[in-house]
Amino acid sequence: EVQLVESGGGLVQPGGSLRLSCAASGFTFSSYWMTWVRQAPGKGLEWVANIEGDGSEKYYVDSVKGRFIISRDNAKNSLYLQMNSLRAEDTAVYYCARLTTVTYHFDYWGQGTLVTVSS
Amino acid sequence: QAVLTQPSSLSASPGASPSLTCTLRSDIDVGTSRIYWYQQKPGSPPQYLLRYKSDSDKQQGSGVPSRFSGSKDASANAGILLISGLQSEDEADYYCMIWHNTAYVVFGGGTKLTVL
Repeated sequence: EVQLVESGGGLVQPGGSLRLSCAASGFTFSSYWMTWVRQAPGKGLEWVANIEGDGSEKYYVDSVKGRFIISRDNAKNSLYLQMNSLRAEDTAVYYCARLTTVTYHFDYWGQGTLVTVSS
Repeated sequence: QAVLTQPSSLSASPGASPSLTCTLRSDIDVGTSRIYWYQQKPGSPPQYLLRYKSDSDKQQGSGVPSRFSGSKDASANAGILLISGLQSEDEADYYCMIWHNTAYVVFGGGTKLTVL
């Protein structure tokens, strides 16, 4: 059974940093692109970043470029999001999701972890 | 102008067949775009419904009922999610999505569907 479990969320002050993790199981992690998608309270979905299976390609939404870093450790079946210089507008539930390479949709999602940026 | 525009809300009665629209920015041609649709219920992550480019290039998500289907309105440059025979369990938020410039993902703002 495919499972994605996020962790690392919490309350952080503006300008601070946080590292999110996503533990994957039930599939060959290194064979899949992975993504982070966030959802601000009461708002819609916003794609944050993608990373290729071997970590060689990474893409980010403009609003987080230069502040967030997506990475992965295939030996640990884990996906990460290092978030620096956090702003109030980064407050959201952060979901990790798996990307299918056949139809290019997100087929499995974690339950999300809440990040709150506030003083 | 947003890349993908969805009406913020829509209401329909049980048994109705509402169409949820996703209008692409004018510089993006719906005819060559694959439109993905996701459903999200409160407190849960999104779930994939389907992908639609054309009647010969479409894909239904695993376990997704056939009453969910996709189409396009080329004159409006819009993708459409059609729900036939609306049921109370279909009350949810619906998001369209495209791949933009190959490797970037864009979601629409979402439509909150209320079943009256």
